Amino acid sequence: KQEVTQIPAALSVPEGENLVLNCSFTDSAIYNLQWFRQDPGKGLTSLLLIQSSQREQTSGRLNASLDKSSGRSTLYIAASQPGDSATYLCAVFNDTGNQFYFGTGTSLTVIP
Amino acid sequence: GAGVSQSPSNKVTEKGKDVELRCDPISGHTALYWYRQSLGQGLEFLIYFQGNSAPDKSGLPSDRFSAERTGGSVSTLTIQRTQQEDSAVYLCASSFRLAGKDTQYFGPGTRLTVL
Repeated sequence: KQEVTQIPAALSVPEGENLVLNCSFTDSAIYNLQWFRQDPGKGLTSLLLIQSSQREQTSGRLNASLDKSSGRSTLYIAASQPGDSATYLCAVFNDTGNQFYFGTGTSLTVIP
Repeated sequence: GAGVSQSPSNKVTEKGKDVELRCDPISGHTALYWYRQSLGQGLEFLIYFQGNSAPDKSGLPSDRFSAERTGGSVSTLTIQRTQQEDSAVYLCASSFRLAGKDTQYFGPGTRLTVL
């Protein structure tokens, strides 16, 4: 069974700092990987989706990389802002099956 | 535009009662998921619908849980004889095409509390 781990579980940084969130998965036979943001009391918002054939995706201040063979992905957030404070979830979709496997998330706090 | 909506937003029930949770996916989306997020836990897959195909029920934790999707649109998740361990946030998501091929759009969730 696919297992997804996110490190660190929580992170607190001052505003303006660049930061990296880590995601690892045990089964490299994935179809794609997706990073989500979850705000308290709200659903998930998709940030970036990386297909298994891709190495990275960028959207604004966010950059996600994928190393499928080593089972790792990173989400890089540049020039962090207080509005970035949220829980960030990584999810992988296997080559077989119908479900995303989610990590437990990294809770990010950006201090003004 | 309209996103995925879920109702109710909060549900408090007594142990042993049945509950129904509703999900309205984005119009035109053929794929629909139900997930459960327990306190301090990651998202747990429950069930997946794709078009008119038989649903993938492999994530349902017990036979007290069931779901249906009427007319390829609205979905209802039913939990019979609720237990305290059923307390969680239930999230619904939809995507345009086959599972995993498109971005999933999540609803705000239903917070279920079983007393």
